[in-house]
Parts: sequence; structure tokens; C-alpha cells
Amino acid sequence: LAKTTQPISMDSYEGQEVNITCSHNNIATNDYITWYQQFPSQGPRFIIQGYKTKVTNEVASLFIPADRKSSTLSLPRVSLSDTAVYYCLVGPSDSNYQLIWGAGTKLIIKP
Amino acid sequence: DVKVTQSSRYLVKRTGEKVFLECVQDMDHENMFWYRQDPGLGLRLIYFSYDVKMKEKGDIPEGYSVSREKKERFSLILESASTNQTSMYLCASEQGTNEKLFFGSGTQLSVL
Repeated sequence: LAKTTQPISMDSYEGQEVNITCSHNNIATNDYITWYQQFPSQGPRFIIQGYKTKVTNEVASLFIPADRKSSTLSLPRVSLSDTAVYYCLVGPSDSNYQLIWGAGTKLIIKP
Repeated sequence: DVKVTQSSRYLVKRTGEKVFLECVQDMDHENMFWYRQDPGLGLRLIYFSYDVKMKEKGDIPEGYSVSREKKERFSLILESASTNQTSMYLCASEQGTNEKLFFGSGTQLSVL
């Protein structure tokens, strides 16, 4: 099962674009890349999922290079409310029970 | 929106007590999960269920059991609570394989 490596913490400012990179060197052919966001005292919330190239939704974009050994979550024009922990997960397409959750990246947005 | 409801936000129990954590989802999801989360760590899977009365062990099932008598409800049971089971417990559900997980708000359990 592919494990992921992401920065422990990041700081940014309101209005900036934030990019969080995740490394997953051992990603398997049938693995997807999924990102979750977690606020204090709440359960994680799904942000975005992708397999290759670029995926965009109303919240974020996910960039995946051709070798798929890393991925970058991009949050456009962040606000204070984007302060949270962000988890990068890599797992097979057949079940979430095999996902390995790391410690995530604690993103702090400053005014 | 899918709603996953955990019965308690905070619980304080004594060592040796039997503890029940309840989770209910309202979207007819097939799969349900119980995780625990400790400070600075990611989520660790305790048990999951892919159908009524069906259960599978996760990564850390020791000291826990589960029950799924109805599709919408998944219970986590600590047969004899111990202090090392003090943690945040998170329930989640998903409709199918590798669909997105929907989490409850969590139950912070303290075992004294």
C-alpha cells in the first residue's frame, strides 16, 4: 500500500493561492489520490479526488504529473476559514478501508 | 447532504466500563467505518462493515467490537474500557467502493 509524505505544516496569507504537495513514490496502477480537509473537533471532509492530470472542482484543483509519484492540491485565494489539516491519501479503487492516513499538513492562514 | 450522526460529542467513562458509541447515517450507504484519531496522528481504522451483520477488522481492532443490525446504524463497543482507549472516535460511511467518505463530528472519549 502506498504511503504518502506531505509537509507537517504550512503558513500563508488571505487571498493567496496555496499549493500543498504530496509525495507517493510507491503509488500503484489502480490507486487514486484523494484529499480531505479537517477542522478542529470535526471529522474530515472530502475535497477532491483524481487519477491523473488535472481535476478541478468548486473548492480546489488537483494536479498529478504523468509519473503520478506526487500530487499538488491547489487552493485558490484562501481565507482564514481554510485554516485546517489537509490529508493526502492514496488507495486502490476498490475500497476506502485500505487507505492509510498520515498526520496531514496543518495549514494556517494569516490575515 | 449526507448526514452521519454520532450520538455523543464527549464521553467520560471509568476503566473497566462497557462503552457503546453509536453512529447513524441517513443516506442508505452500504459501507460504514470506525476510526480513532490521536493527537498528531492520522486516522486509524478499527473496524468496517460492508453490509448488515457483516464486519471486517481494520488495523487496530484489539479491545473493540462492532455491531451492525440495521443498515443505517453502526455501533462501536469497548467491552472493558482502558485508559489507552482515550481518543477521538470517528464514524464514516460511503455508498460504494472508493466513493468519498462522509464523517460524523466525532466522539471524544476519556477513560479515567
